[in-house]
Order: sequence, then structure tokens, then C-alpha cells
Amino acid sequence: GEDVEQSLFLSVREGDSSVINCTYTDSSSTYLYWYKQEPGAGLQLLTYIFSNMDMKQDQRLTVLLNKKDKHLSLRIADTQTGDSAIYFCAERGYGGATNKLIFGTGTLLAVQP
Amino acid sequence: NAGVMQNPRHLVRRRGQEARLRCSPVKGHSHVYWYRQLPEEGLKFMVYLQKENIIDESGMPKERFSAEFPKEGPSILRIQQVVRGDSAAYFCASSPGLAGTYEQYFGPGTRLTVT
Repeated sequence: GEDVEQSLFLSVREGDSSVINCTYTDSSSTYLYWYKQEPGAGLQLLTYIFSNMDMKQDQRLTVLLNKKDKHLSLRIADTQTGDSAIYFCAERGYGGATNKLIFGTGTLLAVQP
Repeated sequence: NAGVMQNPRHLVRRRGQEARLRCSPVKGHSHVYWYRQLPEEGLKFMVYLQKENIIDESGMPKERFSAEFPKEGPSILRIQQVVRGDSAAYFCASSPGLAGTYEQYFGPGTRLTVT
């Protein structure tokens, strides 16, 4: 089936690190993505990782990929109140000519000042 | 450098009416995707189009929903005879094609409310 799962909620204090986890479906997925959605807004692409990589770092963001366990995580260092949002992981769909994204359920990150 | 544009941003329809949602992709992008986000849920893929062609409509409900991406003009998602269960946020995304990192860029969404 096409299920990408995430924990629903994470609360951290400002300045701490946040780690958002995701398990995905298909080990043949070539690209995995992290998107951020602020209230009432669209989705903003934060970062992506190619499946032949274990880790990718981009400023305060670190993505870790464990292909064996089909586990993806996003670490946000020095979390700020402006990071409060819903975070979605997504995998690129597989099979045929499709280019669809399969999204997780989203994790609401609440940053306490 | 305009991103993906969607209009209207908010749309209210009574049950049985038609809803038309428009999406203008990033300039130069020839691939368009529609996703639906029900309240408190993640995004679900609906349809993937290239200019004048539907590539993947595996997520489209079988009835009342249709989509097009004509040679000229925006992509249109059309919902006929709307019902309350159609109330959701509808997001459009675009990409330059099937190359590179396959990134999709999202618009701000159209929030449809059916009364």
C-alpha cells in the first residue's frame, strides 16, 4: 500500500533541536522530500534527499535516511518560534509515468518560547 | 519571478453547484499536479497533467471531477454538483519536467467550502 507515516505532534522549547520522523513505503523511491506548511498557506519545499545518500545537511536542517528500515528524519537545530508549522515528508510515487508525491500525515511542530 | 498561482483563494459553493479552480504554473513549467487536503489530513494526489494530456488520474474520484491543462491558459480543476464532502483545500503544484530532482512547487491553495 501507499502509506507514509509520521507522528502527529512534537513540542520543543526555543533553542532546542527538533527531530521529526517518517516511515515510508517503497524502498525503490528515488527521492524523498520535506515540506513545511504554515497555517492557511501552501507547502514550502524545505529539502530533499536522494535515495543513495544517508545524510544531507542544509544550514539548520539535517536529513537522515535509513533505507533498510525505510525511515527518514528531519532534524532542525536551534529551533525558533518561526519554525512552528506542520511538516510533511513525501516520497516520489513509483511505477509507470507518474510523478506524484505521496505525503505523510504531517507532524505539527509547536515551539515554546 | 512568480511562483504557482491559484485562484480563487477561497470559494464558497452551495450543494449542487459547480466549482472551478484555476492554477497557473511557474513560468516555463509544463507539468501540473493537483492535490486535495481534507481537514486535519495530509495531501492526497488527484491528477498529473502535461500540456493537453492527462498522465495520471489515479487519485481522481470517478464522478463529478475533471481536470484539464490546455495549450494556452491555466490548468482547471472542475467539480460538478458539489457535496459537503468536497470541502477541502485544493493545491496545485508544478514542475519543469521529469528530470533533475523532480521537485514540485506548490501554490497557496484554494479553500473550497460547500454549504
